Amino acid sequence: DQQVKQNSPSLSVQEGRISILNCDYTNSMFDYFLWYKKYPAEGPTFLISISSIKDKNEDGRFTVFLNKSAKHLSLHIVPSQPGDSAVYFCAALSGGYQKVTFGTGTKLQVIP
Amino acid sequence: DAMVIQNPRYQVTQFGKPVTLSCSQTLNHNVMYWYQQKSSQAPKLLFHYYDKDFNNEADTPDNFQSRRPNTSFCFLDIRSPGLGDAAMYLCATKSGIPTTNEKLFFGSGTQLSVL
Repeated sequence: DQQVKQNSPSLSVQEGRISILNCDYTNSMFDYFLWYKKYPAEGPTFLISISSIKDKNEDGRFTVFLNKSAKHLSLHIVPSQPGDSAVYFCAALSGGYQKVTFGTGTKLQVIP
Repeated sequence: DAMVIQNPRYQVTQFGKPVTLSCSQTLNHNVMYWYQQKSSQAPKLLFHYYDKDFNNEADTPDNFQSRRPNTSFCFLDIRSPGLGDAAMYLCATKSGIPTTNEKLFFGSGTQLSVL
């Protein structure tokens, strides 16, 4: 039972354009969401997070949007850079619990 | 400065030969996690500790065990590795104190090969 889903396994974007990565979840108890970036043979690195009390969080080129009614969040990267090419994981957890559930990831390729 | 350190980066073991992966942290975090990740799949939580409290996932095979002798160290023991256990093993930590920033800090992972 995949509670966090990233339905696009891969995405290609031209350098300078916007990258939009999507994530859906099924567990309504999730109230905190994170995005991680992972290069091959390395551990994931934290990018940005959002609490369910917000619908948007921005950090530089990265913005995460949360639509609670649709149980959907998205990560926007603008402008996209070749160094952004990596696998991006969406993750979710419930307040008061320590279990963090990850999605299957989306491989982003930014073409110079 | 590395905050979550996993050793070794690459581990090769033989089918059925016990292997131990290690993780240490300098963050003094309460929670430590072990995830298994296979290619093109989501990191799968095996178990986690909140301090000394061990929380096993229901579908984690008995072949996988863990020890946390103190706050800083956590070990993953695979008692009889099978070919299907070849994967990247990720250790992560989290504060455990509810805050507005609940992020996990990951180590660089150990890539396990089983021959």
